[in-house]
Formats: sequence, structure tokens, C-alpha cells
Amino acid sequence: GAVVSQHPSRVICKSGTSVKIECRSLDFQATTMFWYRQFPKQSLMLMATSNEGSKATYEQGVEKDKFLINHASLTLSTLTVTSAHPEDSSFYICSAPTIKTPEGDSPLHFGNGTRLTVT
Amino acid sequence: SQQGEEDPQALSIQEGENATMNCSYKTSINNLQWYRQNSGRGLVHLILIRSNEREKHSGRLRVTLDTSKKSSSLLITASRAADTASYFCASPARGSTLGRLYFGRGTQLTVWP
Repeated sequence: GAVVSQHPSRVICKSGTSVKIECRSLDFQATTMFWYRQFPKQSLMLMATSNEGSKATYEQGVEKDKFLINHASLTLSTLTVTSAHPEDSSFYICSAPTIKTPEGDSPLHFGNGTRLTVT
Repeated sequence: SQQGEEDPQALSIQEGENATMNCSYKTSINNLQWYRQNSGRGLVHLILIRSNEREKHSGRLRVTLDTSKKSSSLLITASRAADTASYFCASPARGSTLGRLYFGRGTQLTVWP
């Protein structure tokens, strides 16, 4: 089945530093990927849509200069949390659609997430 | 949440019992999807039901959809300890990029052996 690999799984960084999270589609091409953020015991919040070869589309309220997204190839999207602060500590998960059914449905395949802790 | 709400927020049952989780959503949808998340992991797609379908089965999973009430339910029959996880419903944002989903808050299911 389709596999999405996310790296690193955990990262601890100091305030003010930047952290890069990678999301790779291992056995399929993903022109679009999605980045979500999840707080403990809460839902996933869609942050942005990563588009291969063009700018990402951010959801309302998400700072694009804070969360830089690059989708330079058909198998890799990166999320960089710039000048991280403790409030950026969260679980970040990427996903990509694979199969497009005749009806236009496309379930998502998720990476295993990255636990970011900013001290 | 951005779209849906699940209830209950938490459900605790014994192995062998059935588990029912409900989801309500706000806007009209083309389909509704259910996902499972083990603690600290990514989500796994379970089942998708389209707006013109009322019920769908997959193994021990049964999903219903009532578009008039904007609600869906996920039933897990003969639950097992391995079913312990969080379960989320999700629906596509209207007119959105394919695969762009909004998720509910989730139901934390605990199945005791």
C-alpha cells in the first residue's frame, strides 16, 4: 500500500531555532500534500496544502512566514518551523492523497507524525 | 473543530462488546471518512461513505450516514483490545483541493481485555 514517511519522529529544540520536518511519499508521486497540527487529545487542524512546484496554500490564521513549506519534488514536502517558540510545541503530521476514484474520492495516507518540543 | 464533532469524546468497553461512535458535521459533503489513530502515530484510513450512500460495511466496521441530520456513525462489532485508539471522522472542505479534509475532535476508544 501507499506509504508516507515522515522524519524526524521526535525533535527537541531551543527557542529561536528553526526545525525542518520532511514528508516523503515512498511508492507514489504526490503533487499535493497536507500538513496538520495536533494538540494533545484534540483534533487535527489543517495548516496548509503543499503544492509541488508552486506556493503552498495556508489555512486562515496560519502564519506562512512562521511555517515555511517547500514541495520541490513529486515525493518530498518539507515544513520548516522558523524561530520556534514553546507554543509551537505540538504534533505535526503530513499526509498525501493517492487513489482518485471515479467519483473523485481520495482518502489520505498519513506519515507517523513529528513530536516537536521547543524548550 | 474545523468541521465535525464526534461523540462521545471517550468510550470504554469490554472486549467482545460493540462500540458506536457518532459524528456530526456542519456543511454539505460529497463523502465522509473515518480514520483511526493509535497514540502518538499518524492516522489510518478506515472507510469512506459517499453522500448518496446510507450504510457501508468493511469487516467489523459499519458506517451509516444521514445527510438530512448531517450525522454519521461508526460501529465496531465484537471489539478487541487492539481496537483501542482514537477515531476521527473527516469530510472534504467544500470545493477544495482533492484530499483536503477537515477532522472532528475524535473519540478515544478503550477496549479492556
